[in-house]
Amino acid sequence: GAGVSQSPSNKVTEKGKDVELRCDPISGHTALYWYRQSLGQGLEFLIYFQGNSAPDKSGLPSDRFSAERTGGSVSTLTIQRTQQEDSAVYLCASSLSVTGELFFGEGSRLTVL
Amino acid sequence: GQNIDQPTEMTATEGAIVQINCTYQTSGFNGLFWYQQHAGEAPTFLSYNVLDGLEEKGRFSSFLSRSKGYSYLLLKELQMKDSASYLCAVKVDSNYQLIWGAGTKLIIKP
Repeated sequence: GAGVSQSPSNKVTEKGKDVELRCDPISGHTALYWYRQSLGQGLEFLIYFQGNSAPDKSGLPSDRFSAERTGGSVSTLTIQRTQQEDSAVYLCASSLSVTGELFFGEGSRLTVL
Repeated sequence: GQNIDQPTEMTATEGAIVQINCTYQTSGFNGLFWYQQHAGEAPTFLSYNVLDGLEEKGRFSSFLSRSKGYSYLLLKELQMKDSASYLCAVKVDSNYQLIWGAGTKLIIKP
């Protein structure tokens, strides 16, 4: 596609439920990033993919969070047993190379009740 | 530790000039990015500085001083559409890791 596409744009869920957030990066971009953005705070790094492998998962807040990328393209971020503190906007970005500028999707706003 | 400081909010008048500052203390430095983010939208790239000095791009300019750990974004001839948050991010030693500031919300008044 022309840009980074994320779905769903909005997700409201109940505490304890699992959620899946999807990111479709720009075609040909090998690097893919997941960030979390909370009100009044900087973007929080979650995970980085180069191709299908994730050299850096250090930002995942807990073992309830996992992510995968298949075919060097689409990525899914899964949050199990959601908690209220997981409420945030989850942003995906891709870049042509590890040193290139990031292109962001519009994010998935997650609200955990 | 890694730290980036930006003012939380600034107000300016349409047609005027505004300077948004960013100071950083990071374990390494491989460049500094500025992104613009309108409410509810994706951040979009504005500028990248890796060497000291001023980079000009139309109405927007970005300045870097590595010795002072300091950058600013200068916006001239402000327009209402410039109302947005401006995010400063530093690339540390690893090729991909970015440390982000909390962003500066810029409000433009007529």
